[in-house]
Formats: sequence, C-alpha cells, structure tokens
Amino acid sequence: DTGVSQNPRHKITKRGQNVTFRCDPISEHNRLYWYRQTLGQGPEFLTYFQNEAQLEKSRLLSDRFSAERPKGSFSTLEIQRTEQGDSAMYLCASENNEQFFGPGTRLTVL
Amino acid sequence: QKEVEQNSGPLSVPEGAIASLNCTYSDRGSQSFFWYRQYSGKSPELIMFIYSNGDKEDGRFTAQLNKASQYVSLLIRDSQPSDSATYLCALEKNNDMRFGAGTRLTVKP
Repeated sequence: DTGVSQNPRHKITKRGQNVTFRCDPISEHNRLYWYRQTLGQGPEFLTYFQNEAQLEKSRLLSDRFSAERPKGSFSTLEIQRTEQGDSAMYLCASENNEQFFGPGTRLTVL
Repeated sequence: QKEVEQNSGPLSVPEGAIASLNCTYSDRGSQSFFWYRQYSGKSPELIMFIYSNGDKEDGRFTAQLNKASQYVSLLIRDSQPSDSATYLCALEKNNDMRFGAGTRLTVKP
C-alpha cells in the first residue's frame, strides 16, 4: 500500500454514460498525476496538478475528459459520453520527489 | 520514433543469473530516469531513479545511465522468481513523465 487510494477500483458502464473516478494522494504531496494504461503498454500521461492548478494536459485528453483538484488534495477524473476505446486502467500517482501509484480504477465500457 | 523504447521481451533468465533490461530515449532534454516494476494486475512500483551519468546501486539493482548514447539500463543480480514482472522505464522532463511499454521478465527456478 503506497498511501494513494483510488475509487472505485472497478467500473463497468454502458457506452455513452458519464463516469467519475476519485484519487486521494499522500497528504503532503503537492503533485498529482493521472495516467491511462492499456494491456501491454506503459502508462500514458493524461494530466497533472501542482496543488490545485492543472499545469499540463496531454493531447490524448479529448474534451470528453476533465480533471479537477479543487482544494489541492483529492482529485477527480470525469469521462463524459464514454466510448469503448476508453476501456483501460486509470492510474493516479502522487509525487514529492518520487511518484507513488495508486491501485488504479479499471474501466470497462460495454 | 517513440519517446521511450524498450524491448517487450519476454526476457527469460535462470534463478541466480543477472537480468539486464535496456531502454533508449529520444529526448536529450530528459532530466531524470526511473525504473518501475509492475506485477500483473497491479500498479507500478518504483525501484529506483537515476539522473547522473554512471551507475547507481541499490541492493541487487543497478541502474546505468549514458546520456550521450541516450541509454539507461537496469541490472538485477541474483535474480529470483519473485522478480518476474514487467519492468517499465520512464523519463521525466519538466515534471512530465513518459513511460516505455515495458519489458516482461521471467526468472525460472
């Protein structure tokens, strides 16, 4: 257990539905990252926050994806109008000088 | 060219042998380099990081970095079956992390 928690751990949804995931980082860590990982690939960077500020977003992040970290603590990642191609493991990582990953949320879009 | 390239494997070594995992990268501005281990169905765990040319040792693990050749490697000495996992190479530039696809290592008893 790295101290980073993610909820839910699994989510199955129908295409077209909206989903929201939550990440609770290690409390003293300022930076929080979101990644997506599919089978046989490494994690792909989606976005990251320094405290409550979203400093970078990947070109992979379409306008259906939005992330927030309103108080600089937990973060949410929302996917609107889900598509089957969104099926993946969504990983959150918390960083001071090293990144610690949460257990991930596995999304399956039917 | 991918930003971070790794041989997908599988790499198979006998128990007790040295496992050598390699990674090349394209961005010369990359600042720090990381090796993560990922067991099947689990999230990545940091093994070690390196940012200066040369070797860095931590227990059975040695990371080697050669910025001129844009090459970073991980050696695992006295490999154990419990080392069987996918090893991910990652680099960081300006707080932006990029991962390779990983090399699958199998250590046979």
